[in-house]
Formats: sequence, C-alpha cells, structure tokens
Amino acid sequence: QQQVKQSPQSLIVQKGGISIINCAYENTAFDYFPWYQQFPGKGPALLIAIRPDVSEKKEGRFTISFNKSAKQFSLHIMDSQPGDSATYFCAASRAAGNKLTFGGGTRVLVKP
Amino acid sequence: DTGVSQNPRHKITKRGQNVTFRCDPISEHNRLYWYRQTLGQGPEFLTYFQNEAQLEKSRLLSDRFSAERPKGSFSTLEIQRTEQGDSAMYLCASSLGGGPSPQHFGDGTRLSIL
Repeated sequence: QQQVKQSPQSLIVQKGGISIINCAYENTAFDYFPWYQQFPGKGPALLIAIRPDVSEKKEGRFTISFNKSAKQFSLHIMDSQPGDSATYFCAASRAAGNKLTFGGGTRVLVKP
Repeated sequence: DTGVSQNPRHKITKRGQNVTFRCDPISEHNRLYWYRQTLGQGPEFLTYFQNEAQLEKSRLLSDRFSAERPKGSFSTLEIQRTEQGDSAMYLCASSLGGGPSPQHFGDGTRLSIL
C-alpha cells in the first residue's frame, strides 16, 4: 500500500518558470516531510524539509507548502533552471530519524 | 569527502550467486539505513541500525537478505542466492540519531542479475 502519493510523474517547464510537485499522505503519525533531489547515477540529496507545525518553509528558490488538514504538501521550484532537471521525491516519516516512506518521484525537465 | 560511501558502485552477477555490499556512514552518525530503489520508483526501506543494533526490518527483507553493522561503524548487506528480482539500486543513508536529524544518502550500489 503506497502511503505517500506523488504527482505528476513528470513535468516540463521553461527556464524561469515555476515547477510544482504535489504529495499526499495517509498516515497521520507522519510528522517530518523532506524533499530529495536525485540526478541519474547518484543518491538522493536532501533539498528541504518541513514539520507539520508550520504551513510554509522557504530556502532559496525552493518552497514547501504544507496543509495538515488535507494531508498534503507540495514543493515549488521558483525561477527553474536547466540545472534543476532531475527527479524529485517527497518523503515522510514519524520523526526525522526514522525510516522514510517515499513517493513515486517526479521527473522534472527544465527547457532552456 | 566526508559523505556516505558505498562500495562497489556496480555489481554484475549470475542468478544464484551471493553478493555483499558495504556502506561507510558519515563518521559521527550513529543511525544507518538501507533502502532499495528500482528503476522509476522511489526508494523503499529495508532495514536500519542504531549503532550496532538492528532495530527494524521491512517485510521486503526476505531471509535471503542479511545486514550487519559490527561495532556500529560500517555496514554490510548480503544477498544470498540472488534472483532476477533483486536487480536494483541499493542505497545506504545515515543520520545522527536522538533528534530531528535528516538522512544523508550515498550514491548506491547498482546490482544487475544476469
């Protein structure tokens, strides 16, 4: 049973545009929600993370929005650059040090 | 480089053979995790250690899989009698336990079963 659902599976955005990736979770015990970026042949790299006591967190061009009542969270990549072309995974865990449950991933292509 | 290190990066083996992978975590991290990632999917949790103690194992970890972390430092993941379905990327991550510490991943070992 997939506990974290991610959409879309892929998206194409023009350079300078906004990429938006959405995730929904089922387990209300989850209280830590990180986003990872993965390039081909590499392991996932942590981008940004949020806990449910805040509704939004911004780091540079990356913003997480969190809706606890809807059990949904999303990643916004502002001013998308070709170097942002990668696969992005949302994840959730019961605490930051516990096992992660990942979404299925979103392949982002930023066209120059 | 002080990140998570995994060896080998690639392993090709025949069905039925045994394979072993190694993970060296970030030096001060006491938690170590193993995940498996198949093509086009997100990583799936296999098992994790706090120091040398294996605290949780996924149902995905059949009896052909065994993981160890002697002395709470590096870890090994062994797969016995490999099957075609074992072909995947095996990822290791580490974190500083006891608080809200994020997991940092290595670049994985890609296993191909002929």
